Amino acid sequence: GQQVMQIPQYQHVQEGEDFTTYCNSSTTLSNIQWYKQRPGGHPVFLIQLVKSGEVKKQKRLTFQFGEAKKNSSLHITATQTTDVGTYFCAGRESGGGADGLTFGKGTHLIIQP
Amino acid sequence: EAQVTQNPRYLITVTGKKLTVTCSQNMNHEYMSWYRQDPGLGLRQIYYSMNVEVTDKGDVPEGYKVSRKEKRNFPLILESPSPNQTSLYFCASSLSPRGHYNEQFFGPGTRLTVL
Repeated sequence: GQQVMQIPQYQHVQEGEDFTTYCNSSTTLSNIQWYKQRPGGHPVFLIQLVKSGEVKKQKRLTFQFGEAKKNSSLHITATQTTDVGTYFCAGRESGGGADGLTFGKGTHLIIQP
Repeated sequence: EAQVTQNPRYLITVTGKKLTVTCSQNMNHEYMSWYRQDPGLGLRQIYYSMNVEVTDKGDVPEGYKVSRKEKRNFPLILESPSPNQTSLYFCASSLSPRGHYNEQFFGPGTRLTVL
């Protein structure tokens, strides 16, 4: 079945440093979503990417979808303590009849002030 | 307020005692889904439903049942819980699984412990 791999599993940064998490799928995706989960909370939707090579920005966050629609990245510029949490990518396989969503295992972002 | 609710939020039970975790959404969403979250394993989809009376297995359906008799409700049933089903469970819903309107809204989670 479809596999979505996400790296790194943990990332420690000093406040103000940049952060990037990467997501790779074993199959071509129809779209990819990104979620953030604060400690003790539930996942919250950040964005969805649909087009090959798409780049979207939300303030200090930049999201990219690869040309082959098999990989994606989330980059945070100048991290702040409010960015702490786990970031998940989630992909839906392109084509076929399956409508399940496969999540990566997440990247835990730990920020040292 | 648009939301997904789950009950109970916390549950401690014993092996073999049937239980149901309820999930309800008030957004008229077609798509609903159940996930379990375990340390180091991320979120894994258990079952999902495209609409009323339409359900499909996700990646880890063994030991679980679901039903979708009404659009707003999607209960998760554990007929005979076992300790390996101890986990944090999330229900989620979205307007549609396809197209541009499939942002998933998650419930607050249910922490289940099976002794």
